[in-house]
Amino acid sequence: QKEVEQDPGPLSVPEGAIVSLNCTYSNSAFQYFMWYRQYSRKGPELLMYTYSSGNKEDGRFTAQVDKSSKYISLFIRDSQPSDSATYLCAMRKGSATNKLIFGTGTLLAVQP
Amino acid sequence: GAVVSQHPSRVICKSGTSVKIECRSLDFQATTMFWYRQFPKQSLMLMATSNEGSKATYEQGVEKDKFLINHASLTLSTLTVTSAHPEDSSFYICSAEKGIQHGYTFGSGTRLTVV
Repeated sequence: QKEVEQDPGPLSVPEGAIVSLNCTYSNSAFQYFMWYRQYSRKGPELLMYTYSSGNKEDGRFTAQVDKSSKYISLFIRDSQPSDSATYLCAMRKGSATNKLIFGTGTLLAVQP
Repeated sequence: GAVVSQHPSRVICKSGTSVKIECRSLDFQATTMFWYRQFPKQSLMLMATSNEGSKATYEQGVEKDKFLINHASLTLSTLTVTSAHPEDSSFYICSAEKGIQHGYTFGSGTRLTVV
């Protein structure tokens, strides 16, 4: 079993839809949770960064972490064609280790 | 913010030659940088952790003699692919962390094609 599971998609939605992206994980030691957006042939761009459980909002993006369920989500409101990309979740166990564990990425296509 | 610059963005080289990829943290010092490899439609695979002033730490299965890493300063790490072969063709990405509260910033990646 992988430490981090993410549905690879592809996920296709119409413009303006609310998108929900999710990851589950198996190791309760994860404390830092990140969402990255990666356009084709580009490096990943950090979208959201959260510590422990809770919600964080930034513009059209909301990140949720539920440590009791070992489940994290990224919501995109009013999705735009420019949001079409691969979304990667990533996790880190704490300050004692600096390795990131990535999900496989979800390919999102927002149709105009 | 935290900016990481990676160069070159694309390189084509002949089989048997070596290629050097640079990763720079532009607005912060990075004692640790990371090198990843990414195959088409797959996630990032960590190759090695680059430590300033000391030897890099390689992940299992990564040939340290083929992928030479040098982290000579707090703002620069280099990855040299030695004696490159077509199977080394891939997308290589570096990352660095400004501080634990900032998360990791990635470079724009280098697409290596070995012909």
